[in-house]
Amino acid sequence: DARVTQTPRHKVTEMGQEVTMRCQPILGHNTVFWYRQTMMQGLELLAYFRNRAPLDDSGMPKDRFSAEMPDATLATLKIQPSEPRDSAVYFCASGLVNPVSTKSYEQYFGPGTRLTVT
Amino acid sequence: RKEVEQDPGPFNVPEGATVAFNCTYSNSASQSFFWYRQDCRKEPKLLMSVYSSGNEDGRFTAQLNRASQYISLLIRDSKLSDSATYLCVVNAGTASKLTFGTGTRLQVTL
Repeated sequence: DARVTQTPRHKVTEMGQEVTMRCQPILGHNTVFWYRQTMMQGLELLAYFRNRAPLDDSGMPKDRFSAEMPDATLATLKIQPSEPRDSAVYFCASGLVNPVSTKSYEQYFGPGTRLTVT
Repeated sequence: RKEVEQDPGPFNVPEGATVAFNCTYSNSASQSFFWYRQDCRKEPKLLMSVYSSGNEDGRFTAQLNRASQYISLLIRDSKLSDSATYLCVVNAGTASKLTFGTGTRLQVTL
């Protein structure tokens, strides 16, 4: 049963500290997404990659957030420095996109990282 | 106007009832449509894709109306375990990213 995995599941940190979240997408999926979910904003897309190349990170605060895919089995989302307003659940999702038509298929979510910045 | 709009609810229905949710989307070029389910403090999970001809999966029926740009989800014979938030999801035209609605909360009671 293939799943997206994320670590850590929970993170509590102090303002100003660096936070790194990791995601292992489902093997064979060519697209990886990072989302943030809060009660107020719902699910927001932060960034996504296709075949490890960043396609869109317009939803991400550039000054403190960065997303990378060092290889096909690992995606990372880093916040430096963290702020209390970054407290949220961060989800990674992976999926398949037809490279010709760019028709998107369903995405599968990891369990999320619940981040609390004090 | 939001790209995907849903009534947040909550919809409170008794067990065994039929309940329907609607969702509207703004991008007429959208090609892919889905319903996801999210339980409290869990990740969203795919419930079903929505096809132009409409599709059914057990007690769940999804419909797509391209002319009016809305999607519906019908749940028959509601179970307590159907209590969750239902997210309407649409792809952003020809782009590969999906846009999620804010969800409709369903509470099924005894």
